[in-house]
Amino acid sequence: GDSVTQTEGLVTLTKGLPVMLNCTYQTTYSPFLFWYVQHLNEAPKLLLKSSTDNKRTEHQGFYATLHKSSSSFHLQKSSVQLSDSALYFCALRNSGTYQRFGTGTKLQVVP
Amino acid sequence: NSKVIQTPRYLVKGQGQKAKMRCIPEKGHPVVFWYQQNKNNEFKFLINFQNQEVLQQIDMTEKRFSAECPSNSPCSLEIQSSEAGDSALYLCASSLLDRQNTLYFGAGTRLSVL
Repeated sequence: GDSVTQTEGLVTLTKGLPVMLNCTYQTTYSPFLFWYVQHLNEAPKLLLKSSTDNKRTEHQGFYATLHKSSSSFHLQKSSVQLSDSALYFCALRNSGTYQRFGTGTKLQVVP
Repeated sequence: NSKVIQTPRYLVKGQGQKAKMRCIPEKGHPVVFWYQQNKNNEFKFLINFQNQEVLQQIDMTEKRFSAECPSNSPCSLEIQSSEAGDSALYLCASSLLDRQNTLYFGAGTRLSVL
C-alpha cells in the first residue's frame, strides 16, 4: 500500500548550518508531495508542494525536488535559524481522497 | 493565523463519556478532513467530507466515532464512548477539491481521556 517514510525522528543542528530532512514514499499512482511545518502549539501549515519530476520548488528559504526515480522529496535549507525549530511532516496524495503523512521530524536549532 | 476554527481547544472526559468537537472550515472550501495526531506526533486520517457527504472513513471511525458536516453549521466529530487511547490532538483541515490542493489546518482540539 501507499506509505511515506521519514527516517529521522529528531535532528539537532547549530544555527547557520545546512539541513536535509529525508522523505521517501511508495505508491503505484502519480504522486503529489507536500511538506508541512508545525510549530509548538500551532496548526500545521504548508511549506511547499510538488508533483513535477526533477523540478526544485522553494519557499521561505526551504527547497525540495521531487525525484520519481528514487521516490524521494527531501527538504533542505542552506542555513537554519532558531525560528526553524519545529516539527516537519512529509505528506503524499495519490489517487485517494486524503493526504497520508509521514511520522514527522523534529528539528531543533541551537545557538 | 489559521482560518479554520476548532472548538474547544481542550476537552477532558472520563472513560465511556461522549466527546464532541467542532470545526468551521475556511470559507469556500468544500472538503473537510479530520486527523488524529497522537502523542508521538503521528497523523491518522479519520474521515473526510465533500460538502455534507462522507468521502472516506477508516474502520475505527465507523464504529465509535460519528461525524457530520451539515449545511450552514460547523462540522463535528464525536466519540461515542471515549477510551484512554483516544487521548490525542484532533485536527480539522479544509481544502479545495483538487488533489493538489493544500490542507489548511485548525489549531486542533486536545482531548484527554482520564
